[in-house]
Amino acid sequence: AQSVTQLDSQVPVFEEAPVELRCNYSSSVSVYLFWYVQYPNQGLQLLLKYLSGSTLVKGINGFEAEFNKSQTSFHLRKPSVHISDTAEYFCAAAGETSGSRLTFGEGTQLTVNP
Amino acid sequence: KAGVTQTPRYLIKTRGQQVTLSCSPISGHRSVSWYQQTPGQGLQFLFEYFSETQRNKGNFPGRFSGRQFSNSRSEMNVSTLELGDSALYLCASSWDTYYNEQFFGPGTRLTVL
Repeated sequence: AQSVTQLDSQVPVFEEAPVELRCNYSSSVSVYLFWYVQYPNQGLQLLLKYLSGSTLVKGINGFEAEFNKSQTSFHLRKPSVHISDTAEYFCAAAGETSGSRLTFGEGTQLTVNP
Repeated sequence: KAGVTQTPRYLIKTRGQQVTLSCSPISGHRSVSWYQQTPGQGLQFLFEYFSETQRNKGNFPGRFSGRQFSNSRSEMNVSTLELGDSALYLCASSWDTYYNEQFFGPGTRLTVL
């Protein structure tokens, strides 16, 4: 079974500043990792995913994440944020035996201030 | 390509009633998963259906059930509603399994009074 921990429940930043949203996972089997974004009153949208291969994953809207197996982390980064990036971000994990079942972290509310 | 649609978008029920929520996946997708989202518990997996069969199930009581039809549309039912069932219920569809992107619908907001 997997578990996912997002280390910050809220992250306030100023516009054009860099941001990192932290995610740690634990799993006894091979794990596949995802970052989703949720805007108010909407469903979840996939930002990026790590299945295998290069540990640096690039996603939509300028986001990227790095898979670090030794530290069991999958932190999300963006070099320069915009007001429109204000949303809740979820880290999620799945395993080879879990089918489409995703285990989500608690979420991080990113607020970008002018 | 049309996205995942969920109906209704909002629902108000009273304790003890039952409710049925509907999800239409993206055309061609065979897997439909359901999640419950609450402020206290976050996003929790309810169940997944694939080709009309329940393939995976989360840790929810038997009051929560679902089914999938031959056209991949899915319904979930909650019987004997409790106040704690108030939540956003999200449906996600994908082609098959974890390595295929799951596309989420906008959700059904259920309020139990």
